[in-house]
Amino acid sequence: GQNIDQPTEMTATEGAIVQINCTYQTSGFNGLFWYQQHAGEAPTFLSYNVLDGLEEKGRFSSFLSRSKGYSYLLLKELQMKDSASYLCAVRDLNNAGNMLTFGGGTRLMVKP
Amino acid sequence: EPEVTQTPSHQVTQMGQEVILRCVPISNHLYFYWYRQILGQKVEFLVSFYNNEISEKSEIFDDQFSVERPDGSNFTLKIRSTKLEDSAMYFCASRETGDNQPQHFGDGTRLSIL
Repeated sequence: GQNIDQPTEMTATEGAIVQINCTYQTSGFNGLFWYQQHAGEAPTFLSYNVLDGLEEKGRFSSFLSRSKGYSYLLLKELQMKDSASYLCAVRDLNNAGNMLTFGGGTRLMVKP
Repeated sequence: EPEVTQTPSHQVTQMGQEVILRCVPISNHLYFYWYRQILGQKVEFLVSFYNNEISEKSEIFDDQFSVERPDGSNFTLKIRSTKLEDSAMYFCASRETGDNQPQHFGDGTRLSIL
């Protein structure tokens, strides 16, 4: 099976930088995705990592270390609208349908 | 930008009744998924579907659940005899061919079983 851990909640200040960590255990790692989910809404895709290193996309970056089973999502120049849950999801080679296994999500509150 | 659409947005049903949740995936996508999210809990995989058949299903997806692609655009999830614990948000997702392609989620159907 798979186990994905993220902090439950984080708080940060508008304009600052925040790092949301995710650790995972899986037998056949085949990619990690980050999604943003506002309350009551659908998850929206943010980033994808399958090789070690940093992927940058505007204010959002995601890092992966496969040997450590570790990823983080970095949000820069925080805005109030970034208040949301951030979901880490892992894909496993052993799953035929390319399904995603989600962590519990990290609820980020951005304060003025 | 093309999106996954789901109907209805909210469904209220008596326990034991059948429900059908509808999804229209993005038109050039070939891989379809259903997930559910019980209030305050994590998103959980139910089933994946490709080439008109189920490619994988979770333990949650028991005999009470079924999926169908009745025509070229719709993808449905049926729950035959609903239970109280089926109350959740149900998300449909689809993706293009290619391992690096993300799944795109619809806005969900909130299912409330009374």
